[in-house]
Amino acid sequence: QKEVEQDPGPLSVPEGAIVSLNCTYSNSAFQYFMWYRQYSRKGPELLMYTYSSGNKEDGRFTAQVDKSSKYISLFIRDSQPSDSATYLCASYSGGGADGLTFGKGTHLIIQP
Amino acid sequence: GAVVSQHPSRVICKSGTSVKIECRSLDFQATTMFWYRQFPKQSLMLMATSNEGSKATYEQGVEKDKFLINHASLTLSTLTVTSAHPEDSSFYICSARRQGARGANVLTFGAGSRLTVL
Repeated sequence: QKEVEQDPGPLSVPEGAIVSLNCTYSNSAFQYFMWYRQYSRKGPELLMYTYSSGNKEDGRFTAQVDKSSKYISLFIRDSQPSDSATYLCASYSGGGADGLTFGKGTHLIIQP
Repeated sequence: GAVVSQHPSRVICKSGTSVKIECRSLDFQATTMFWYRQFPKQSLMLMATSNEGSKATYEQGVEKDKFLINHASLTLSTLTVTSAHPEDSSFYICSARRQGARGANVLTFGAGSRLTVL
């Protein structure tokens, strides 16, 4: 079992809808949780990160972590076609090389 | 903000040839850079850690003689895919950690290099 599980999609929603992207993880040592956005044929860019459990909001984006259930979520409000991308969740344990464990990424399509 | 440049963004080569990909930190010094490989609809897989002035550290299963890494300065790391074969076709991405930085959010990723081996 991979340490970070993520449904690859694709997930297609109409413009303006609320998007919910989710991941589960298995390693209790993970402390930081990140969401990266990756446009087609581009490298990932850090969108949001949270420490431990709780919510973090940044504009239309809200990241949520529930450590009791090992569940990570990203919500996008008022979704726009420009939000169409692959969203990768990642967990950081501080150990290893880069310390990151990535999910497979969910391909999101916002239909105009 | 921190910017990492990767070059070339796309390369096509014949089987058996070698290809070099560059990763540069443009506005900061990076003692550590990382190289990843990403197959279609798959996650980023860490290949190796590039350390300035010393040998790279390779992840299990990655052939160090095939994927040569050189980190000659604080702003440049190169990945050379030697004797490339079609199965090496992939998206190669680098990331860089600012010198002295620690934590979860201090990696900056390059835009990636798509390698196609014919």
